[in-house]
Amino acid sequence: QVQLVQSGSELKKPGASVKVSCKASGYTFTSYAMNWVRQAPGQGLEWMGWINTNTGNPTYAQGFTGRFVFSLDTSVSTAYLQISSLKAEDTAVYYCARGEDVLLWFSSLLWGQGTMVTVSS
Amino acid sequence: DIQLTQSPSFLSASVGDRVTITCRASQGISSYLAWYQQKPGKAPKLLIYAASTLQSGVPSRFSGSGSGTEFTLTISSLQPEDFATYYCQQLNSYRTWTFGQGTKVEIK
Repeated sequence: QVQLVQSGSELKKPGASVKVSCKASGYTFTSYAMNWVRQAPGQGLEWMGWINTNTGNPTYAQGFTGRFVFSLDTSVSTAYLQISSLKAEDTAVYYCARGEDVLLWFSSLLWGQGTMVTVSS
Repeated sequence: DIQLTQSPSFLSASVGDRVTITCRASQGISSYLAWYQQKPGKAPKLLIYAASTLQSGVPSRFSGSGSGTEFTLTISSLQPEDFATYYCQQLNSYRTWTFGQGTKVEIK
């Protein structure tokens, strides 16, 4: 079954770090890019960037540089999002989303279920 | 950076209504636009890509049109399961994305 399964909800204190995982199955992991999207409570979708699953090269959107790191473990078909120095405003659902190829005009057909990260003292 | 502005942000409609949502880009993006539907607590679902191509399995009451800077998503006859939030998304070959702010469709 083609799917992306993300790790569970996290509750962290300000200043801590969190690492969210996104495990792919049912397709060749390195054949598609992986994107990360943030959705704050009651807000819209915000693209954070993407990682080339062949080279490991990440591209970060404006506003997501410095504290945000995308990484991979291709041996287990998993992408990771690490956020350091957490702030209350990082409280959000984080989605991984597969980046399709030119046939679907680089949109995304496959999304993870989302991981809720709550930052609170 | 390209900005996408959706209108309206909120609309109230009845089952059977024809609904149109507009997405305007701050500069021309050809047909590099997709539409998604998101229901509460769920991940977005791809409806349309390339501005007007219906993703396989999506009901034909959904349609998209436009190119350049102005795009529309139309639901020809609103069904109960269509009450959701809809997002437009700008795409490109560099794989950078931008989303519109969303349009929430609620039951009148």
